[in-house]
Amino acid sequence: DPKIIQKPKYLVAVTGSEKILICEQYLGHNAMYWYRQSAKKPLEFMFSYSYQKLMDNQTASSRFQPQSSKKNHLDLQITALKPDDSATYFCASSQDQTNTLYFGAGTRLSVL
Amino acid sequence: QEKVQQSPESLIVPEGAMVSLNCSFSDSASQSIWWYQQHPGKGPKALISIFSNGNKKEGRLTVYLNRASLHVSLHIKDSQPSDSAVYLCAVSRGTGANTGKLTFGHGTILRVHP
Repeated sequence: DPKIIQKPKYLVAVTGSEKILICEQYLGHNAMYWYRQSAKKPLEFMFSYSYQKLMDNQTASSRFQPQSSKKNHLDLQITALKPDDSATYFCASSQDQTNTLYFGAGTRLSVL
Repeated sequence: QEKVQQSPESLIVPEGAMVSLNCSFSDSASQSIWWYQQHPGKGPKALISIFSNGNKKEGRLTVYLNRASLHVSLHIKDSQPSDSAVYLCAVSRGTGANTGKLTFGHGTILRVHP
């Protein structure tokens, strides 16, 4: 059973639209993260949350907004989508911020 | 900004061979170094981590860290076809500034043929 659920697995969007990527973790962790993996770049850190509070934001654009409605949820809202946003977005979690990160299977986003 | 370089880019070995993967990092204040395994279409999975200079062994995996040279290596003994995957080196920030951020390298593609 996957302990970190990401939905949807695949997503196709048109330029300028808005999408929400869903992440739920059932590991009982208090820290959650978003990472992005695109074709020519290594896996990149985007956000970290601890106890539902933003700890670090490494995204340059305000078009990316994490949303934490419950302690085991960290969704990612992306507005005004661009083709460059095409990537696989991974959600991860850990117990505290110094321990092992566990990753979900990712949401593969294609922006046309 | 932390940089993580991995070599080789890809590696093909016969089953049973010893595999050696390399990783260099730029920040001497980096806290821990992690190795992750990623199969196609899956998320990365943590294999082993090291903080102190020296080596650490877990099963068929051994990791060596040399902080003076900013270098870490992962060795896989008796490689199996199921070890075929991308291996990612990741570095966490120094103590006091740790927000859970990991900086990853591009990875090494390993293929173990039967």
